[in-house]
Amino acid sequence: NAGVTQTPKFRVLKTGQSMTLLCAQDMNHEYMYWYRQDPGMGLRLIHYSVGEGTTAKGEVPDGYNVSRLKKQNFLLGLESAAPSQTSVYFCASSSRQVNQPQHFGDGTRLSIL
Amino acid sequence: AQTVTQSQPEMSVQEAETVTLSCTYDTSESNYYLFWYKQPPSRQMILVIRQEAYKQQNATENRFSVNFQKAAKSFSLKISDSQLGDTAMYFCAFNTDKLIFGTGTRLQVFP
Repeated sequence: NAGVTQTPKFRVLKTGQSMTLLCAQDMNHEYMYWYRQDPGMGLRLIHYSVGEGTTAKGEVPDGYNVSRLKKQNFLLGLESAAPSQTSVYFCASSSRQVNQPQHFGDGTRLSIL
Repeated sequence: AQTVTQSQPEMSVQEAETVTLSCTYDTSESNYYLFWYKQPPSRQMILVIRQEAYKQQNATENRFSVNFQKAAKSFSLKISDSQLGDTAMYFCAFNTDKLIFGTGTRLQVFP
């Protein structure tokens, strides 16, 4: 049972570099989310998607882009990484119903030097 | 704005004792769902318990139970018979169209 899989688990970037974080879920969930977790700030929503081909901004979207070309995949892109984007990134997915919990990946630790 | 407040950054409890983690929230919605998630040092986010706002009965899952006070917008988590494996960060969250998290409470269970 894979659930939600995030790739990679760790990454170190230099300022200005770009990269893409991949999230894949095998539960046929409609909704997918990207969060960042910083010390003392809980999880903050970056972008989310309510279905294939649709995306929306969350609480902290600046500096990030996303794409949902396939239902099972949700990509998070950093076009020009900044030290302020050093964080742990979590992907999650859920079914359409709001009473259903989100299922989380194991996180990606990203450091921007 | 919808917010979730966890006023206890850190708590500790002795093994086998009971501990209560506090959570308050603010929303104008009438229909929503509340969750407690656990994040152990492994960094996984694990669902502990959930509560539907329209249900008056407090949810219970084994050693975990909630005290849901809708009028006060309070949703506390009680952990009974604490175990060393309960050591983790605990996040309160509520869901309308998006899941809003609190800042977390770090719980340490000591022998």
